[in-house]
Amino acid sequence: DVKVTQSSRYLVKRTGEKVFLECVQDMDHENMFWYRQDPGLGLRLIYFSYDVKMKEKGDIPEGYSVSREKKERFSLILESASTNQTSMYLCASSSPRGGAEETQYFGPGTRLLVL
Amino acid sequence: GEDVEQSLFLSVREGDSSVINCTYTDSSSTYLYWYKQEPGAGLQLLTYIFSNMDMKQDQRLTVLLNKKDKHLSLRIADTQTGDSAIYFCADRDNYGQNFVFGPGTRLSVLP
Repeated sequence: DVKVTQSSRYLVKRTGEKVFLECVQDMDHENMFWYRQDPGLGLRLIYFSYDVKMKEKGDIPEGYSVSREKKERFSLILESASTNQTSMYLCASSSPRGGAEETQYFGPGTRLLVL
Repeated sequence: GEDVEQSLFLSVREGDSSVINCTYTDSSSTYLYWYKQEPGAGLQLLTYIFSNMDMKQDQRLTVLLNKKDKHLSLRIADTQTGDSAIYFCADRDNYGQNFVFGPGTRLSVLP
């Protein structure tokens, strides 16, 4: 059974704190993604990675960075959290082999509240 | 850039059919997907359709694709309270490995 896990389901942080969100997948997938989900806006891509030590900016990378030191782990970092980063964060992974069935598999999400 | 649009809310009565609509702009879309998100959970793939198909049926789910109008719909027959969730339409082109998601349609099933 495929599995994507995220380190926390709920987090409360203060403005200015450094925040780490961890994502681990056990499917040996090359591709990993971080999204944020806000009501009425759907999923917006923050960063993605197609390989270890590789990262690419998505649509809204400002205020975020990522780290991919191992294939199974993709970390999202908020260097200095701000209230407008309060959101649900979703991690996903996929294989690049390209068939329709190679969908993205999602973790359960981390709901982050920045006070 | 690419865009995927959906209406944000839909309410139906239990036992009725639900139809969730989606429009997309990317003419190179090769695969189109429907995901379901239950409260407090991540997204789960429901079904997908290849762009050279116009219909796909999977138990209570029917996907219709009008490629000319770039319109995708998901019909859920005999809607149950367990179908209450947010449904996301997404597309993926044949060249990229990224998905573009719609804003999600919140389906409420009334008893």
